[in-house]
Amino acid sequence: EVQLLESGGGLIQPGGSLRLSCGAFGFSFRSNAMSWVRQAPGKGLEWVSGISGSGGSTYYPDSVKGRFTISRDNSKHTLFLQMNGLRADDTAVYYCAKAEDLATHGLDVWGQGTTVTVSS
Amino acid sequence: SYELTQPPSVSVSPGQTASITCSGDKLGEKYACWYQQKPGQSPVLVIYQNNKRPSGIPERFSGSNSGNTATLTISGTQPIDEADFYCQAWDISTVVFGGGTKLTVL
Repeated sequence: EVQLLESGGGLIQPGGSLRLSCGAFGFSFRSNAMSWVRQAPGKGLEWVSGISGSGGSTYYPDSVKGRFTISRDNSKHTLFLQMNGLRADDTAVYYCAKAEDLATHGLDVWGQGTTVTVSS
Repeated sequence: SYELTQPPSVSVSPGQTASITCSGDKLGEKYACWYQQKPGQSPVLVIYQNNKRPSGIPERFSGSNSGNTATLTISGTQPIDEADFYCQAWDISTVVFGGGTKLTVL
């Protein structure tokens, strides 16, 4: 079964750092691009990063550029999101998702999400 | 930055056809896809590359994309289709989501 399992969320103080992980199961991990998408409480979907299958290309929106870093370990079938300088508006459920190609195929499998709460 | 605009809400009667639009500059020149999200659940891809359905998505879901507008059409809408729907496109190395449309079936 194709599955993505996020972990690493929690309560963090403003200005702090957090590293999310996403384990991938049941598909060729290195053959798929990956993304992180977040959803603030009661709000819509917001894309926060993407990475190619090899890990050689990474993509970010301006809202997180310089604060968030996406990476992957293809040998361990795991995706990461390093988040620094966290702010209250980073509070959200963070989903990892896979795509055959970010530009053409959409995000065809999503994890269950991990909750990040930024508060003092 | 690129923007995709969706109506906040759409209502449809059971058995009727629902259409949800997504507008963006020259969107027809890009690939559009659509996601369905039910309360408390993760999003599910229902349309990709404008009009293709992933395995397991019912045939009543279809899509089109031309000019500045992509449209998700649900034929013979069922109560189980009630959900939030998001369009998405790729623009200059970024994934862009629309603001979402709440579909009410009543």
